[in-house]
Amino acid sequence: KQEVTQIPAALSVPEGENLVLNCSFTDSAIYNLQWFRQDPGKGLTSLLLIQSSQREQTSGRLNASLDKSSGRSTLYIAASQPGDSATYLCAVFSGTYKYIFGTGTRLKVLA
Amino acid sequence: GAGVSQSPSNKVTEKGKDVELRCDPISGHTALYWYRQRLGQGLEFLIYFQGNSAPDKSGLPSDRFSAERTGESVSTLTIQRTQQEDSAVYLCASSTGLAGKETQYFGPGTRLLVL
Repeated sequence: KQEVTQIPAALSVPEGENLVLNCSFTDSAIYNLQWFRQDPGKGLTSLLLIQSSQREQTSGRLNASLDKSSGRSTLYIAASQPGDSATYLCAVFSGTYKYIFGTGTRLKVLA
Repeated sequence: GAGVSQSPSNKVTEKGKDVELRCDPISGHTALYWYRQRLGQGLEFLIYFQGNSAPDKSGLPSDRFSAERTGESVSTLTIQRTQQEDSAVYLCASSTGLAGKETQYFGPGTRLLVL
């Protein structure tokens, strides 16, 4: 059974810092991995989608890497801003047509 | 274009009542997912629809939960005889193309509170 874990559960950093969020999964047989952002009281916004054949994806200040063999993904946020404050979720798609989500990392960027 | 919409945005009901939640996916999206998110927890998969194929209901927690989808459009999630543990945010997502290959687009969710 696929299990997804995110560390840390919460993170508070001063504005301008670079930071790394971690996601690990137990079954390396995945089709893709997605990173999402969830703002309080709102739905999820997809940030980056990494196919199983890819090693990383970049979008602006965000970079996500994927190491299938070790069951790990990281989301790197450069030059963090207060507007980056949100909960970040990773989800893996490993067949049977459903995503398994981690419990998220609550990020707070202090001005 | 319009994103995924869900209604109602909030629902308060009494234990034992039935509730119906609605999801309007993005036009042309063949895949539709329902998830449940309890307070402080991650998303829990409930059900998946893909085109005209039989839905994957493996995530439904009990037979009080059911969902329907009309073609590739609106979906409704019905919870019968609601219990307090059903209180959660119910999120709907849709995507186009092959499941797992495309980005999921989420609606804002329905916040259900069972008293």
